[in-house]
Amino acid sequence: DVKVTQSSRYLVKRTGEKVFLECVQDMDHENMFWYRQDPGLGLRLIYFSYDVKMKEKGDIPEGYSVSREKKERFSLILESASTNQTSMYLCASRPGGGTDTQYFGPGTRLTVL
Amino acid sequence: DAKTTQPPSMDCAEGRAANLPCNHSTISGNEYVYWYRQIHSQGPQYIIHGLKNNETNEMASLIITEDRKSSTLILPHATLRDTAVYYCIVRPNSGYSTLTFGKGTMLLVSP
Repeated sequence: DVKVTQSSRYLVKRTGEKVFLECVQDMDHENMFWYRQDPGLGLRLIYFSYDVKMKEKGDIPEGYSVSREKKERFSLILESASTNQTSMYLCASRPGGGTDTQYFGPGTRLTVL
Repeated sequence: DAKTTQPPSMDCAEGRAANLPCNHSTISGNEYVYWYRQIHSQGPQYIIHGLKNNETNEMASLIITEDRKSSTLILPHATLRDTAVYYCIVRPNSGYSTLTFGKGTMLLVSP
């Protein structure tokens, strides 16, 4: 079974702090994704990566950056957290090729005070 | 600019078939229909996908109309654990495309 793990289920940070959200997958997938999910807005894609050291902006990249130094790990970075970044963050991975069977992690609920 | 339309909610009795509709009248020839679901407090889970033929796997069946403008996800014997939000997504079969999740259908399975 594919396993996607996220570093924390719940996280509380203060405004202005630098926040790292880590995601690890164990199936050697080429593609990895970061989404945020908010009530009434659904899942929105922040960033994705097709390969190590490669990244592409999604629909809402502002205020975020990402890092993919190893194939299995994809990090989401909030350089200076703000209260409007309070959300559920979901990581996903997907094998290479055309089909889009994404495997999601359990999510990190981030609260910025 | 939604590419799919789903009812916001549906009910189903436990043990009965759940039939979840999706309208995608502007689907292009190279776009697949994907279904995912999200159980409360969990990440989304892939269910099934198809292009034009009906598909079946261990979780569900996908029926796509001949004109491809709509589809139905069928859970043949719904259980309480199938209570979730179900998302219908259309997407080209390209490695450089991503999924766009809409609001989905909240399916409530009751005893």
